[in-house]
Amino acid sequence: DTGVSQDPRHKITKRGQNVTFRCDPISEHNRLYWYRQTLGQGPEFLTYFQNEAQLEKSRLLSDRFSAERPKGSFSTLEIQRTEQGDSAMYLCASSKQETGELFFGEGSRLTVL
Amino acid sequence: GENVEQHPSTLSVQEGDSAVIKCTYSDSASNYFPWYKQELGKRPQLIIDIRSNVGEKKDQRIAVTLNKTAKHFSLHITETQPEDSAVYFCAASNNFGSGGSYIPTFGRGTSLIVHP
Repeated sequence: DTGVSQDPRHKITKRGQNVTFRCDPISEHNRLYWYRQTLGQGPEFLTYFQNEAQLEKSRLLSDRFSAERPKGSFSTLEIQRTEQGDSAMYLCASSKQETGELFFGEGSRLTVL
Repeated sequence: GENVEQHPSTLSVQEGDSAVIKCTYSDSASNYFPWYKQELGKRPQLIIDIRSNVGEKKDQRIAVTLNKTAKHFSLHITETQPEDSAVYFCAASNNFGSGGSYIPTFGRGTSLIVHP
C-alpha cells in the first residue's frame, strides 16, 4: 500500500454534466475525509466518514454533492449538474482513529467549462 | 464551528534566515494543531504537530509553539533553505477526548519563498 490514491487526476467537463471521483485510502485507516481546494486557499472541509458512516457534512456540500463509502473501504464523491464554481481540486485524506495526521491523496482536479 | 486565521499570506526570506508563520483559532475545544507543507503541484504533507497539553515542540529546524490562553500557535523555521519554499498550512481540530469532531479546519496558507 503506497498511500492514498485518487482517480481521475484530472477531469474536464461541461456545465450540467455529472462527475464522480474515487478515493482509495490507506487500508488500515478508518477515517476518510473529502476537502476542496481552490487556488490560493487552504483545504475546505466537505465531508467525513468513520468506517462506512458519514458523520459530518459541511454546508458547502449542496444537494448536488453526494459521497459514499460502502463497506468502509474506498469512497466516491459525485457532483451532479456541475457548475463553473465547482472547478477546484478535490482532495481525499485518510487517518487512523488513534492519531490526528491526515494522509492526503494527489487530488482530482475538476475543470467545468 | 472552528475558524482558523493564518498570517502572513506570503513570506519572503533569504537563505539562512528564520521564518515565522502565525495562526489563531476560535474554538477553545480544539486540542490538536498540525502544520502541513504543500510543494507546488503536490499533496499536503504533515511536517509537525502539537497537542494542547504541551506548549512547544521541536524537530530539527522546525518548531511549533502554542498559547492556549490566547488561542494562537506558530511555526518557526530556522536556517531556511531553498527547499523549504512551499505553501504551509496550519490547522486545528478537536481530536482527542470524548465528543471530538476530528475535523481539521485549515488556515488559508502561507507561501514561503526562500531566496538563495
